[in-house]
Parts: sequence; C-alpha cells; structure tokens
Amino acid sequence: GENVEQHPSTLSVQEGDSAVIKCTYSDSASNYFPWYKQELGKRPQLIIDIRSNVGEKKDQRIAVTLNKTAKHFSLHITETQPEDSAVYFCAATVNRDDKIIFGKGTRLHILP
Amino acid sequence: DAGVIQSPRHEVTEMGQEVTLRCKPISGHNSLFWYRQTMMRGLELLIYFNNNVPIDDSGMPEDRFSAKMPNASFSTLKIQPSEPRDSAVYFCASTYRGQPQHFGDGTRLSIL
Repeated sequence: GENVEQHPSTLSVQEGDSAVIKCTYSDSASNYFPWYKQELGKRPQLIIDIRSNVGEKKDQRIAVTLNKTAKHFSLHITETQPEDSAVYFCAATVNRDDKIIFGKGTRLHILP
Repeated sequence: DAGVIQSPRHEVTEMGQEVTLRCKPISGHNSLFWYRQTMMRGLELLIYFNNNVPIDDSGMPEDRFSAKMPNASFSTLKIQPSEPRDSAVYFCASTYRGQPQHFGDGTRLSIL
C-alpha cells in the first residue's frame, strides 16, 4: 500500500523568510496530493492540492511542486507570517474519494 | 453548509465504559472517514465508508472498536470496553466524488 514520508518533523523559520516541507510517496499510481494545515486544537483544513498532471500550483504565498518521476512533492510558503504557525500534513491517494494516506506532519514555528 | 458535525466535542470516562462517538457528514457527501490523532502516531485512518458501506476497516485497532453507518447522514464509532490508550482526538471527515475531504472539529476523548 501507499506510504508517505514527510520531512522535517519540526521547522522554525524567521518571520518573512520562506519555509519548505518535503514529502515522498511510494505508490506510483497515486495521482492526487493534498496539503492540510492544522492549527492548535483545530481540525485539519485543506490549503492546497495538486493532481499528477500538473507540476506546480500556486495560491498567493503558498505553492506546491510535484515530481512524479522521483515520487516527491513539496510545499513552499513564502513571506511567512505568525499565522502560518501550525502543523502541516501532506497526503497522497489514487482517488480523492478513496482513502488518503497522510504523512506524520511538520510543526512549523514562525519566529518573530 | 454546516460542515461535518461531530459529537460530543469532549468525552471523559473511566476505563471499561462504552464510548460512542457520532458524526454527521456534509449533506450530499457519499464517503465518510474516521481518523484517530495522537502525538505518537499522528493521523491514522481507522475505517471508511462509501455509500454507507464499509470499504476498508484495516485501521481499526482491535475488536473493541466498531463503526456503523446506518444511513447517509449518520455514523457512529464505538469503543467497548474503553482503555486509557484509546485517549486521543477522533476526527470524522466526508467527501463527494472529486472533492477534497472535509474534517469535523473532532472529539477529544480521555479514558481515565
């Protein structure tokens, strides 16, 4: 079955700098890769997703890149702000209404 | 759209007691997922349903756990008997074909 590895587990970034979180997956059939943000005590919420027919997708300060050959994908957050502090989860699946496999999460700290 | 509704939000009970967690998916969604989140194990998929039918329960830890979906608007996750190691946040999520998963606010369960 699918296995998703996520790195780093913790990341501290100075406010205004960029943050990068990386994930790898094992199942070459996976074709949908969502990213979720979970603030303390809250539910995971989708922030961006990408399908395998696209190499990059951007939404304001957030971008995701996908390398299907290497089976890895990354989340990039530019001009980080205090409200970006949260746990971020990557995930992979073959079908969006099928089960998705989550990475272990990255705790992002934005330092003042 | 009221989102995915879970109840109760918090549950504290003594070990050995039966615990029932409830979930109402978003109207029109046909897939429902139960997750457990702990610091040690991250976000784990326990079971998911498609059109009220259990599709994959391989994540259910043991026979003490059971889940039902009697209709399209309601699901339960039961733990009987409960143990301290079952303490976690339990999330329910739902989706419709082609859409990302939407999570409920979770139930924080503490077994004393």
